[in-house]
Amino acid sequence: QSVLTQPPSVSGAPGQRVTISCTGNSSNIGVGYDVHWYQLLPGTAPKLLIYRNNIRPSGVPDRFSGSKSATSASLAITGLQAEDEADYYCQSYDTRLSASVFGGGTKLTVL
Amino acid sequence: EVQLVESGGGLVQPGRSLRLSCAASGFTFNDYAMHWVRQAPGKGLEWVAGIVWNSGSSAYADSVKGRFTISRDNAKNYLYLQMNSLRPEDMALYFCAKDVGTYDSSGTYFDHWGQGTLVTVAS
Repeated sequence: QSVLTQPPSVSGAPGQRVTISCTGNSSNIGVGYDVHWYQLLPGTAPKLLIYRNNIRPSGVPDRFSGSKSATSASLAITGLQAEDEADYYCQSYDTRLSASVFGGGTKLTVL
Repeated sequence: EVQLVESGGGLVQPGRSLRLSCAASGFTFNDYAMHWVRQAPGKGLEWVAGIVWNSGSSAYADSVKGRFTISRDNAKNYLYLQMNSLRPEDMALYFCAKDVGTYDSSGTYFDHWGQGTLVTVAS
């Protein structure tokens, strides 16, 4: 059981918008720790997609955006493309564990 | 270009040891904290261990504390993970990851990752 909760899967048609939620609690997101997002494609190194809740690294398309509120965060992907099909993970810091923690991951399927 | 290349994975029996290595290039290695993150088959990511820039502090997930040791050689630009008393639940793809910061052994966030090295624990 992951400390941060994500839906196991989401799907959408090309061109549509999807969101992936990441729910924490009062020992991580709820006490103000930032949320970061990663994209995992099979056989490739994980890629940083969003950092500090809503900042895109250089080279990440503006179709990807992040937000955070209270004890949760969200990753939104607009204008879905086939190449977006991947696993997505959120990450934050947990004070009770004194460790970085990840969500369980969400598999995005582009229909 | 930042490159992180893991090695040292393989098949090992339960209770035995294995040492993973990560060769870093393309950035000033001793300016950053470094980490190991793993992904068990069919499971999500799990932060395993981290070490600050000068080896002055390290941190571990509860699941590996007392069995794994993270270390680094700044002269050679290498990160290591010594894994002792391996268990079947340690079987995973182990990633080396670069922190964006210098001083946080528990992880800030990770801006570059390697492709991983696979550790299989089975008799």
